[in-house]
Amino acid sequence: SYVLTQPPSVSVAPGKTARITCGGSNIGSRSVHWYQQKAGQAPVLVIYYDSDRPSGIPERFSGSNSGNTATLTISRVEAGDEADYYCQVWDSSSDPQGVFGTGTKVTVL
Amino acid sequence: QVQLVQSGAEVKKPGSSVKVSCKASGGTFSSYAISWVRQAPGQGLEWMGGIIAIFGTSNYAQKFQGRVTITADESTSTAYMELSSLRSEDTAVYYCARGAQVATITSHFDYWGQGTLVTVSS
Repeated sequence: SYVLTQPPSVSVAPGKTARITCGGSNIGSRSVHWYQQKAGQAPVLVIYYDSDRPSGIPERFSGSNSGNTATLTISRVEAGDEADYYCQVWDSSSDPQGVFGTGTKVTVL
Repeated sequence: QVQLVQSGAEVKKPGSSVKVSCKASGGTFSSYAISWVRQAPGQGLEWMGGIIAIFGTSNYAQKFQGRVTITADESTSTAYMELSSLRSEDTAVYYCARGAQVATITSHFDYWGQGTLVTVSS
């Protein structure tokens, strides 16, 4: 089965840039989606199709995907960005399997 | 605005089954996939399976094959997830989530339910 690997944690000072990676075999050939989950809440979509932002998501959130790594970038980090972040792809066109990354806790210092 | 409202918390005995509901409003229920995603305490997200009501077919994660059944009732715009042979490791918050694209299960999730805590304990 397909595996997505994320760093367990990323720490960043307010106003700086946070980069969260999502590693998978040839992930650049797949569409990657990113979700933000704050404590005690349901996940929220922040990036879809590698780099598209849903309405209402700040431009500070951006995404890229190439080779074996997809990256979620949060610019000008704010205290309110502290959350868990998950990448997600679909595996197997004949029997679709949803796959989530292991998750990254972003801590704002 | 689409809303997904799930049924309330459940406490179950090991070996029993649980059925969680997810009622959709504000959109076209039948044409969009509803997936179920669970999250054990302190753990990550895990996709369990999904259904597109208009097709009546479900896809399941290989891990849960034979133990999970996902159904949908178009007349009430409600999806259901039933998990059988419960064990303590099934203690988790169970979310329903809607696929953003019409008529495909392989889409990103644009709307989520509030989550249902299922506790499995003797």
